[in-house]
Amino acid sequence: EADIYQTPRYLVIGTGKKITLECSQTMGHDKMYWYQQDPGMELHLIHYSYGVNSTEKGDLSSESTVSRIRTEHFPLTLESARPSHTSQYLCASSEAGYNEQFFGPGTRLTVL
Amino acid sequence: GESVGLHLPTLSVQEGDNSIINCAYSNSASDYFIWYKQESGKGPQFIIDIRSNMDKRQGQRVTVLLNKTVKHLSLQIAATQPGDSAVYFCAENIGGSNYKLTFGKGTLLTVNP
Repeated sequence: EADIYQTPRYLVIGTGKKITLECSQTMGHDKMYWYQQDPGMELHLIHYSYGVNSTEKGDLSSESTVSRIRTEHFPLTLESARPSHTSQYLCASSEAGYNEQFFGPGTRLTVL
Repeated sequence: GESVGLHLPTLSVQEGDNSIINCAYSNSASDYFIWYKQESGKGPQFIIDIRSNMDKRQGQRVTVLLNKTVKHLSLQIAATQPGDSAVYFCAENIGGSNYKLTFGKGTLLTVNP
C-alpha cells in the first residue's frame, strides 16, 4: 500500500472559512498532484508540483492554492470556502520518470 | 476537447464471469495508459498499465488490451469476484505532457454473488 496520507478525511465547514487540506508522502517522490472529484465522476487535476518550490495550475481552474516547501508535504488551501467547493479532494504522488501515480484516501469537503 | 471516455457507465456481472470494461481515447499523442480501481470512500488504486508500443499486457486476473487504430482500451477481469466491485477509471498520459494523467469517466462494476 502506498504511503501517502491526507488529513482530515472529512471536513464540514461554513462559508467564508479558511481551510487547509494536508497531504504527505513518505516515498520521497518528486511529483505531487491534487485532483478534485465529484461523486461518481472523473478526476480533474487542479494543481501539481515537480519538486520543492515548484507549483503549477492544473487543467481545471480552482480558487485553491498550494505550496511545496518540503518534498514530502503538499498542502492545499482555500482562503474563503464556498458551497461550490464541496467535493472530494485527492492527493497523489509519483516518482521521477514514472507515470504511475499513488493516491491518498482523499478528503471529503462539505461547505455549508 | 480531447479526453478519455468510457462506453458504459455501469456494468453488472455474476460472480465467476469475466468482465470487460472499455475506454475510448481521442488523443493520438497519448503514449501511456493506466487503469485504476476506486472503492467507495477510498482513493484510486493502480491495477495495470500499458505503453503505446504494446497491444496487450497481462497481470494477475487482469489483462489490458490497446487498439491504437481505433483508439480503444479495454480492461478484462477474469473470474470476477465480489471484491472487484468498484468504479474503474482509465487514464492517459499525453506524450510531452510531463507525466500528467488525464482521467476518463468511470465505470461502476457490480459483481452479483
